This record gives sequence, structure tokens and C-alpha cells, in this order.
Amino acid sequence: EPEVTQTPSHQVTQMGQEVILRCVPISNHLYFYWYRQILGQKVEFLVSFYNNEISEKSEIFDDQFSVERPDGSNFTLKIRSTKLEDSAMYFCASSHDRGVYEQFFGPGTRLTVL
Amino acid sequence: EDQVTQSPEALRLQEGESSSLNCSYTVSGLRGLFWYRQDPGKGPEFLFTLYSAGEEKEKERLKATLTKKESFLHITAPKPEDSATYLCAVQDANTDKLIFGTGTRLQVFP
Repeated sequence: EPEVTQTPSHQVTQMGQEVILRCVPISNHLYFYWYRQILGQKVEFLVSFYNNEISEKSEIFDDQFSVERPDGSNFTLKIRSTKLEDSAMYFCASSHDRGVYEQFFGPGTRLTVL
Repeated sequence: EDQVTQSPEALRLQEGESSSLNCSYTVSGLRGLFWYRQDPGKGPEFLFTLYSAGEEKEKERLKATLTKKESFLHITAPKPEDSATYLCAVQDANTDKLIFGTGTRLQVFP
């Protein structure tokens, strides 16, 4: 059964460093997302990406964040200068297309900023 | 502002003891309501999509229902392996993002 994969599973970084989180969405999906979940809190939307451009972004997704689809399979989230409050689980999701399609989530990357 | 509220926060059941989880929502126009299961340290696992009031969907011991203001996830004769956090999310008609509730943490004891 196709699934979303994410690497690494756990990333530890120093405050101020850049991190890149990687995702491989389901192969025939066209719409990609990043969400995050701070420990003990709800899952929060960060950004959606469709047709090689950002479709929507939340207030959390400021200039420190960027997304990219560098090739036909990977989808990345970059945080330029990490802060302590960026520590969270980051989930990548994909859906077949826009609209009411199920979003399938990856296993997540746990980001720890020291 | 779109909002999702889930109750109870936590639920402890004996194996075989049926119960229901509630998801109340406020959206300007509902495109879809989604139920996910999340195990500790894992990503949300898709369960159901409901589109309109009156709709029901079933999967094994789980049944999801939808009204104009809330959704219920009924669990019939639960087993210990049903222990997880159950998340409800809504999609507004004007967006593709999901807005999640805080979840109900279900524990089923043998």
C-alpha cells in the first residue's frame, strides 16, 4: 500500500542552525502539505503546495520557513534559523488533488532545537 | 473563525464496553469532516471522511456519523488494540487545509 515517507525520523539541532526536513509523498498525488504538532498540542497547518507553488500558508509559516519540490518525488521543508519554539513533530501529508480528498500523513520528523 | 472541539479529552473503557466520542465544529461552510487515529509518536492515520449531515460510515468496530454541528465516532465492543488518540478535523469550503481538534485519548483495558 502506498505511503508517505519522511526523513529523518529525529533531528537534533542547535538554535540558529538551518534544517531541512524531507518527505516523499504518495506517487500519484498532486497536493502536498506540512503540519506540525508541538508536544501535547493539536496538529497545526503550516503550508500547502500545488502545481509547484505555495497554495496557502498559516501565520506560523513566516520568512524563516520555505518549501520546495526539488525533483519529481521529494518535497522539503526548510527552516532557515531554528528557534527553541520550533521544537515539534513535523508531518508531511499528500492528497490526490485539491478539494475534498483524504490527506495521508507520513510518520513525522521529531525536531529538537537545543 | 473555524473551530473544532473534541470531548472527552480522555476515555477509559473496559474491553467490550461501547462508547462514543464527540466532535463539535464551527465552519463557515463545511467541505468535509475527517476522522484520524494517531498512535503515540506516529502520524495521523486516515479513518473516515464525512461530507454532509446524515451521512454515516463504518469500519470494523468504528462508526462515524455527522450532523450540521457535530460528529460522533461510535466504538462498539472495543479491544485493547483500539487504544489511541482519535482526531477530528474539518475542511472549510474556502480552503484545503485541515483544522484539527485536540483529540480524544482512548484507553481500552482487557
